[in-house]
Amino acid sequence: GNSVTQMEGPVTLSEEAFLTINCTYTATGYPSLFWYVQYPGEGLQLLLKATKADDKGSNKGFEATYRKETTSFHLEKGSVQVSDSAVYFCALSDRAGAGSYQLTFGKGTKLSVIP
Amino acid sequence: NAGVTQTPKFQVLKTGQSMTLQCAQDMNHEYMSWYRQDPGMGLRLIHYSVGAGITDQGEVPNGYNVSRSTTEDFPLRLLSAAPSQTSVYFCASSPDRGSGGELFFGEGSRLTVL
Repeated sequence: GNSVTQMEGPVTLSEEAFLTINCTYTATGYPSLFWYVQYPGEGLQLLLKATKADDKGSNKGFEATYRKETTSFHLEKGSVQVSDSAVYFCALSDRAGAGSYQLTFGKGTKLSVIP
Repeated sequence: NAGVTQTPKFQVLKTGQSMTLQCAQDMNHEYMSWYRQDPGMGLRLIHYSVGAGITDQGEVPNGYNVSRSTTEDFPLRLLSAAPSQTSVYFCASSPDRGSGGELFFGEGSRLTVL
């Protein structure tokens, strides 16, 4: 079956530091890949996505590139801010029953950014 | 913009009690789903629906029932609560049967079963 593995947290960085959160996946088909972010006390929201190999998703200064050869989708940001403190989830989407899609999530990586 | 609304936000139950978590969306989305979030486990799919009258099981369906009588509502029922069902529950919706995985989440319902 499908699975997503992301780096263990928590991750603590100083403001303006470079961020990388590793994510690798296993899938039988050709999934779409996502990063979701969960701010404290809130639900998840989509951060960025990529639907095919070599696509780069980007949003709010975050980037991730769909690497089929290494089955990876690592999240990066050049300069983090305190407001980026959240839990980040890598996920893949594949076709399921009745023509729908289902997401498989990683376990999440908690990021804390200190001033 | 209401989006996906979940109620209640917090609930404490005793073992064996029943309850329903409510989920409503005002975006006319076909697809709705319920996840549970547990520490160190990520999110796991409980049940999902691709339209009114159609539901299916996800990864962890045991102990939960769902129905979808309208496009807007997708309640999750716990018939006999167990401590193992202590978790944070998220409802999520999407247009077009999942839209390739882009989900809109509610703010969550924290359930404690004693």
